[in-house]
Amino acid sequence: DVKVTQSSRYLVKRTGEKVFLECVQDMDHENMFWYRQDPGLGLRLIYFSYDVKMKEKGDIPEGYSVSREKKERFSLILESASTNQTSMYLCASSENLDRVEGYTFGSGTRLTVV
Amino acid sequence: TQLLEQSPQFLSIQEGENLTVYCNSSSVFSSLQWYRQEPGEGPVLLVTVVTGGEVKKLKRLTFQFGDARKDSSLHITAAQPGDTGLYLCAGVAQGSNYQLIWGAGTKLIIKP
Repeated sequence: DVKVTQSSRYLVKRTGEKVFLECVQDMDHENMFWYRQDPGLGLRLIYFSYDVKMKEKGDIPEGYSVSREKKERFSLILESASTNQTSMYLCASSENLDRVEGYTFGSGTRLTVV
Repeated sequence: TQLLEQSPQFLSIQEGENLTVYCNSSSVFSSLQWYRQEPGEGPVLLVTVVTGGEVKKLKRLTFQFGDARKDSSLHITAAQPGDTGLYLCAGVAQGSNYQLIWGAGTKLIIKP
């Protein structure tokens, strides 16, 4: 069964900490995405990558960076965590750029910044 | 701004009832997807529709893409508690480069 695995289900971090969220997919997909999900706001795209070492800003990249050194791994970095970054973070991957076949999501990381 | 509006935002019904949720836009979409998300999990793709007027069935779930490809609906027949979850629609706007546009979701609770 194809999988997107996020390294942590729950994280609690302090304000100002540097936070790393890891995501690995085993489907040899070209495209990987990081979203955050907040009640009433739906899914908002933070960053995505369509190839190794390539990245593109999404709708809300401020306060975040990403790294894709290998095809299967896409990391989201919170440079200096703030309380307004408390959220559910979802990683996804897809094979085709036109998205017709849909995304495969990980189970999410619920991050709390205190 | 291209938006996908889902309605209702919240629906709580008894087991065995039928229901329909909607996903509407003023924009034309080249394809549209429906996902279901259970608490504490990521969304799971249910179906993709690409042709105006297309109808797809997944057991008790029926998905329809509007003729003009601006809207979609999800109809559930004889709802069961296992259908409980957040239903999300997402689409690729016609002429856009790559980004999926997401609706805010319909939270569905089926009471036994």
